[in-house]
Amino acid sequence: KQEVTQIPAALSVPEGENLVLNCSFTDSAIYNLQWFRQDPGKGLTSLLLIQSSQREQTSGRLNASLDKSSGRSTLYIAASQPGDSATYLCAVGYGQNFVFGPGTRLSVLP
Amino acid sequence: ETGVTQTPRHLVMGMTNKKSLKCEQHLGHNAMYWYKQSAKKPLELMFVYNFKEQTENNSVPSRFSPECPNSSHLFLHLHTLQPEDSALYLCASSQVNEQFFGPGTRLTVL
Repeated sequence: KQEVTQIPAALSVPEGENLVLNCSFTDSAIYNLQWFRQDPGKGLTSLLLIQSSQREQTSGRLNASLDKSSGRSTLYIAASQPGDSATYLCAVGYGQNFVFGPGTRLSVLP
Repeated sequence: ETGVTQTPRHLVMGMTNKKSLKCEQHLGHNAMYWYKQSAKKPLELMFVYNFKEQTENNSVPSRFSPECPNSSHLFLHLHTLQPEDSALYLCASSQVNEQFFGPGTRLTVL
């Protein structure tokens, strides 16, 4: 059974810092990995999708990497801003099934 | 309307009531999903429909009954719910494995 964990559970940083969020999964037979952000009480916003054949994806200040063999993905956020404050979730996909991690709650302080 | 929409956004119901949640996607996707998000728990996949056919049912109690009349619409019929069913119910759609989420329905069962 696929299990997804995220470290840290919560993170508080001053504005302008670069930071890394971690996602680990137990079964490396995945089709893809997707990173989302969720604002309190809202739906999920897709940030980046990495297919299993890819090593990384970039969008603006965000960079996500994938190492299938070790069961790990990282989300790098450069020059963090208060507007980045949210919960960040990773999800591994295989077939039509998706398993989500518990999320990392990020607070960026002005 | 664009993306994935959900109605109602908030719902309060008694344990003997029958209600339905509605999801509509305007993205031309073939797959649609229902998720449950409870406080302090990871997102739980409930049902998956692919081309209107149910392909996943993750041991969801029968008091939750999904319906997918076409690839653009998904319903979740609720009856005789329990207070522990109170949660944020999220709908998503996907094409080639990238998921897009609606804003969710906040359900409270009294």
